[in-house]
Amino acid sequence: QVQLQESGPGLVKPSETLSLTCTVSGGSISSYYWSWIRQPPGKGLEWIGNIYYTGSTNYNPSLNSRVTISVDTSKNQFSLKLSSVTAADTAVYYCARVPHSRRWYFDLWGRGTLVTVSS
Amino acid sequence: DIVLTQSPGTLSLSPGERATLSCRASQSVSSSYLAWYQQKPGQAPRLLIDGASSRATGIPDRFSGSGSGTDFTLTISRLEPEDFAVYYCQQYGSSPPYTFGQGTKLEIK
Repeated sequence: QVQLQESGPGLVKPSETLSLTCTVSGGSISSYYWSWIRQPPGKGLEWIGNIYYTGSTNYNPSLNSRVTISVDTSKNQFSLKLSSVTAADTAVYYCARVPHSRRWYFDLWGRGTLVTVSS
Repeated sequence: DIVLTQSPGTLSLSPGERATLSCRASQSVSSSYLAWYQQKPGQAPRLLIDGASSRATGIPDRFSGSGSGTDFTLTISRLEPEDFAVYYCQQYGSSPPYTFGQGTKLEIK
């Protein structure tokens, strides 16, 4: 059974870079697209970006200049970097799987990790 | 960007009743590429419906989705206690960004 687990610092200072990793267990990261989605406390969901196991990416244009998503197939992991963070980036960050190529919905989610941006 | 507007914001019903949740898009969602998710407090969203009407694996048949174009509906035929949660729609039919609605909270009356 495939499972996803987010990891990374829970507290990031303003203007610094948020870095998270999603580890895929119970299955291969290959042959799927993978995504990052976030949810500010008490608010709705925002798609951040996708990556294919080959390294091909697409990002939310609203975050495009600050986001980098990468993949490490040898570790069955993919990662998120969000630069120049502010308090508005405080959110629960989820990693998720896209089950069908180019049908960008999410069938498998990690539990999420809360990242707080504060000095 | 396609904006999804969900209504009502909060729906108060009793177990056993029928729930009808609406999701309206600011422009047509191509190929009915619309999904529904359920989220309970402290948990990740769970996929219920994709392609506007296809139930995901393991989802009970009391959940059904319908609609096309700009108007979509999630129906829960007979509410069980575990169905009280927040529900989100999401469109994936256009170029990025793939957007979510703001959610409908289904609460016990």
